[in-house]
This record gives sequence, structure tokens and C-alpha cells, in this order.
Amino acid sequence: DADVTQTPRNRITKTGKRIMLECSQTKGHDRMYWYRQDPGLGLRLIYYSFDVKDINKGEISDGYSVSRQAQAKFSLSLESAIPNQTALYFCATGNGQFPYEQYFGPGTRLTVT
Amino acid sequence: QKEVEQDPGPLSVPEGAIVSLNCTYSNSAFQYFMWYRQYSRKGPELLMYTYSSGNKEDGRFTAQVDKSSKYISLFIRDSQPSDSATYLCASAGSADGLTFGKGTHLIIQP
Repeated sequence: DADVTQTPRNRITKTGKRIMLECSQTKGHDRMYWYRQDPGLGLRLIYYSFDVKDINKGEISDGYSVSRQAQAKFSLSLESAIPNQTALYFCATGNGQFPYEQYFGPGTRLTVT
Repeated sequence: QKEVEQDPGPLSVPEGAIVSLNCTYSNSAFQYFMWYRQYSRKGPELLMYTYSSGNKEDGRFTAQVDKSSKYISLFIRDSQPSDSATYLCASAGSADGLTFGKGTHLIIQP
């Protein structure tokens, strides 16, 4: 089984809809991250969490919210989706002892029409 | 200007060639320098990392960091078609999150 899983893998939704992307990990890591990847822009950090009670905004948090339900679960929500949120979304986990190493999930391809 | 700059390519080379991938960064606080590899329809995976300046070698791969010029390099010797992927350089000062370059799409022609 994969160490970092994301659901759904693909999603098409309409403008204005609320959508949640979910991430689960079995690596036992305390740190979890959400990134989005766009052609020509690379990977950009949306939110990160160092433990259940710690949530931090990243480079591009506007229009997104997150919830850390447990050490192993970190969800990303788009309260009212808009077309420019169409992107590939990745969840990642990390161990605080090794800040250079993050483990990425397989990604969720989100299309907002 | 992004804190980590990387030419997106594509870079196409024949099998067996030496590949040179490069990035520049602007944040002097960065201490960790990484190369991630991403195959199509997959998440990135860590290939190599370097702490501060210097070289690190792992098989056919060599990572190099020059902090005086803020330059990050990855060299691939005896390149193989299986090396075809997008290579992302990344930097970090702490564990807040990694700052990625845009990624270079590498194609190794058989």
C-alpha cells in the first residue's frame, strides 16, 4: 500500500461548488503539506501543518482552507471553487529531523469549469 | 521573482550523454538544496540533497552547490531513457516547506 494516499485522484467540478481533497499517510510523520502544481509555475505551497494543533499559511493560501483531523489526515478545502484553481494538487509529509525530505502523494487532478 | 529559478526546458539529449541541470536561488538563508524527480502522472520523489556548499555523488548522479554564486547543479552521467522525467530543484532554510523551481523537463533519446 502507498504511504501517502490522496482522494479523489481526479475531480471535475463547477464554479462556486465546495470541494474537499483528502490526504492520509501511514509514514508516522508529524508534518504535512499541501502544494499545487501548474504548468510554467512549478510547485507552490498552499498550507502546512507541524502537528494537529498547528496550521500555517503557505505562499498561496487565499481561497483555500485546511483541516488536520488527526496526525495521519490532512484535508484541503476550496470553499467556492473558481476556474483558476484548476491544477494538480499534491499532499506531502515530512519528518522534522530531515527538513530536506518530503514524501509526496500521487496527486489530485482538479478541473473547475 | 521566484526565490528559486530554473529553466523549464525541455532539454533533449542522446542516450549516454552527460546531462547538466541548473538552478539559481536568491535567499541566503537556504541551507538545504534538493533535487526531486517527477515522472509523468506521479508525485515528486527525492533524488538527492546537499547541506550547505559542496558536492555529493550517488551512482551516476552528482549534486553540486556553490553558495557564493547561489548556484545549484545536478549532473547525470551515462544518461538512460529511464532518466526522462521532470527534475525539480528545491531549497529550504528550515522545515517550513520547500521552495521549488519550476522544474526542467528532460528527454533522453534512445
